[in-house]
Amino acid sequence: DIQMTQSPSVLSASVGDRVTLNCKASQNINKYLNWYQQKLGEAPKLLIYNTNNLQTGIPSRFSGSGSGTDYTLTISSLQPEDVATYFCFQHNSWPLTFGSGTKLEIK
Amino acid sequence: QVQLKETGPDLVQLTQTLSITCTVSGFSLTTYNVHWVRQPPGKGLEWMGAMWNGGGTDYNSAFKSRLSISRDTSKSQVFLKMNSLQTDDTAKYFCARHWGPRGFDYWGQGVMVTVSS
Repeated sequence: DIQMTQSPSVLSASVGDRVTLNCKASQNINKYLNWYQQKLGEAPKLLIYNTNNLQTGIPSRFSGSGSGTDYTLTISSLQPEDVATYFCFQHNSWPLTFGSGTKLEIK
Repeated sequence: QVQLKETGPDLVQLTQTLSITCTVSGFSLTTYNVHWVRQPPGKGLEWMGAMWNGGGTDYNSAFKSRLSISRDTSKSQVFLKMNSLQTDDTAKYFCARHWGPRGFDYWGQGVMVTVSS
């Protein structure tokens, strides 16, 4: 199984900050990497699919990049409503696997 | 619009069978795939298995011997059945629409199931 490792596990930043979340796969996942936002008690929401494609309706402050085994989600200007846990997800190989999440907090 | 809704029990007894229904709207089960994912309290997400639009299924080998996924296309429903429940099966169970090129694009709200002795 492909292991997905996210860092940091908790990130505290101020409103307006540029924040970067990381996700590392245990092997090449050919850019089949999605990012999801999950607010407390809610279902995950797709933000970015296949590394750098913004899902319809998602604000442009969210962006993704990466290749091979290393991927990044960037929020260009952190907003209060961005408080959530962010999961990466690989759909290159079976079984499909998720990262353990980065909890994003506002300072 | 696309919606998925899970319904099932809040509580299941140890060693018993869990049955959850995912009712979808806004899309056809013969066009899109529906998968099951679970999330134990305070932990990450775990892919369980898939119902493909053609009617086939795939399972995570971690569950293969006790998990069954089926569907009723006329009712737009996908079913999860898992037997021999243990306390570590306590989790929120989600169904999610899977569109091949994009992975999971829509999710249900999930149903929290507690396995109790």
